[in-house]
Amino acid sequence: GAVVSQHPSRVICKSGTSVKIECRSLDFQATTMFWYRQFPKQSLMLMATSNEGSKATYEQGVEKDKFLINHASLTLSTLTVTSAHPEDSSFYICSASAGQGSNQPQHFGDGTRLSIL
Amino acid sequence: SQKIEQNSEALNIQEGKTATLTCNYTNYSPAYLQWYRQDPGRGPVFLLLIRENEKEKRKERLKVTFDTTLKQSLFHITASQPADSATYLCALDRGGSYIPTFGRGTSLIVHP
Repeated sequence: GAVVSQHPSRVICKSGTSVKIECRSLDFQATTMFWYRQFPKQSLMLMATSNEGSKATYEQGVEKDKFLINHASLTLSTLTVTSAHPEDSSFYICSASAGQGSNQPQHFGDGTRLSIL
Repeated sequence: SQKIEQNSEALNIQEGKTATLTCNYTNYSPAYLQWYRQDPGRGPVFLLLIRENEKEKRKERLKVTFDTTLKQSLFHITASQPADSATYLCALDRGGSYIPTFGRGTSLIVHP
């Protein structure tokens, strides 16, 4: 149980393109989902917390107009990288908890490798 | 500032031996600590959670200890196998928030 599906797994596109990444909880409802960015051999960097039915909470230094987050239902959150540039190339991963509270593990998608040419 | 430190150098061990990975933290008072496994190009997978009032937690060949005085957690894999080769991440709660903060992970390589 507690499966999170993330699509697409890989995107290669030209500079200036907007890219949408989907994160779905397949067998549980997720009021909150999280979006991370990870550089090679680095830790997961939390970008934003996605809340169903309300605005996302962005971490300091993350441009909300650049990384648009929509959490339209209890099983789907999307991250749109708008007008992507080569410096946006990275590994983006989403996660969700099956419940609230500090004792709940995170269930991760398999990530999206974004390459901007 | 808050810091989570995991050894950036890969740990190389022989199959059958016990692998021990370390997670040190400063300026945190975590209520819990989690360990995850991450394979190349994949998202992390949850392994174990240990709370501040627990000294030790076990799951099959895995054992985690949590020393809040030393501000350290040790992650052990006994009878290691080549399939255990991966990067292992520790994560701490932010104190008052259920959102975990992750260390950069330690790569484990088990040689047959």
